[in-house]
Amino acid sequence: GDSVTQMEGPVTLSEEAFLTINCTYTATGYPSLFWYVQYPGEGLQLLLKATKADDKGSNKGFEATYRKETTSFHLEKGSVQVSDSAVYFCALLLDTGRRALTFGSGTRLQVQP
Amino acid sequence: NAGVTQTPKFRVLKTGQSMTLLCAQDMNHEYMYWYRQDPGMGLRLIHYSVGEGTTAKGEVPDGYNVSRLKKQNFLLGLESAAPSQTSVYFCASSRHVVEREIYGYTFGSGTRLTVV
Repeated sequence: GDSVTQMEGPVTLSEEAFLTINCTYTATGYPSLFWYVQYPGEGLQLLLKATKADDKGSNKGFEATYRKETTSFHLEKGSVQVSDSAVYFCALLLDTGRRALTFGSGTRLQVQP
Repeated sequence: NAGVTQTPKFRVLKTGQSMTLLCAQDMNHEYMYWYRQDPGMGLRLIHYSVGEGTTAKGEVPDGYNVSRLKKQNFLLGLESAAPSQTSVYFCASSRHVVEREIYGYTFGSGTRLTVV
């Protein structure tokens, strides 16, 4: 079935460090791909998305490129801040079958001052 | 701009008790979803609805029932709670198909349920 695999956390970085969170997927069609962020005690918020191969999603300094050849959608940020500390979820959406988001297990990011 | 509202925010149940979680959205979204979040497992889909009066099973539906009698509300019921249902429950809503790819889902802030 369709699935999303994320790197395990927690990822601990110092402020201004470079961030990469790996995400790969398995899908029976051509999914749209998303990154969601969850701050402590809150629900998930859409961070960025890409709907087709080679699309780059970007928001708040975060970027991710839809790589069909490697079935990946890695999240990157050039310089993290303490306020970026959260749990990040990679997800895919297919418009067949259940037509609902399938999430990865989440990666916790901790940024230290 | 309320978005998606979940009630209650916290609840402790004894094994065998029943309860209903309420999700309400004011964005006129067609689709609504219930997910549970467990450590190391991400979010797993319990049930979902593609419109008023329709519901469908997700990945982990056993032990739960749902109803969508009004477009804006999606109820999740536990008839006989078990400790394995201890989790954080999230409701979400979205627009129809193509717009959903652009705007994604809107999530509620969650209900933390403990079954003892």
